Amino acid sequence: LAKTTQPISMDSYEGQEVNITCSHNNIATNDYITWYQQFPSQGPRFIIQGYKTKVTNEVASLFIPADRKSSTLSLPRVSLSDTAVYYCLVANNYGQNFVFGPGTRLSVLP
Amino acid sequence: DTEVTQTPKHLVMGMTNKKSLKCEQHMGHRAMYWYKQKAKKPPELMFVYSYEKLSINESVPSRFSPECPNSSLLNLHLHALQPEDSALYLCASSQVGSHTEAFFGQGTRLTVV
Repeated sequence: LAKTTQPISMDSYEGQEVNITCSHNNIATNDYITWYQQFPSQGPRFIIQGYKTKVTNEVASLFIPADRKSSTLSLPRVSLSDTAVYYCLVANNYGQNFVFGPGTRLSVLP
Repeated sequence: DTEVTQTPKHLVMGMTNKKSLKCEQHMGHRAMYWYKQKAKKPPELMFVYSYEKLSINESVPSRFSPECPNSSLLNLHLHALQPEDSALYLCASSQVGSHTEAFFGQGTRLTVV
């Protein structure tokens, strides 16, 4: 079971780049690294997923080193609307041992 | 349509009541899930359905009874709940074999009194 750790909270200012790191020392070969965003009273929303190296989409980038024991979610030029909780999930795609990380509460300040 | 719709949005029930939570999706997903989320905690997986059959039950108490009547609907029947069962109940769906890329509903905020 891949246990993940994340910073509990982070503060940033509008327009800055934010990097949130997740540690997952016992990640398994079949595990993917996925990040979700959650606003209050809403369900989580998929942001990005990767297996190794770097993945980029229209909202974020995900950096995964070769040993895969950590990953970093990068949000370019954050705005106030990016204030949310960000969850790192390390799991395979078959539902077993499916445990979200504790979440990082990001506050974007004006 | 990329939505997962959950009803009701809020529910207050007594410990002797029976109630049901409903979830619907029209994305053609054949995997559906129930999660429980307590305040300031991550979602916890409760049940997984694949092709309308229960494939994973994460040791959930029998007072929670899931049902998948067809490929678009997922229900969670509640009976004899305890106040500590008060939480946000989230439904999600995905392609089978893509559990990590799930679409979540907005949840049902359940309060047990």
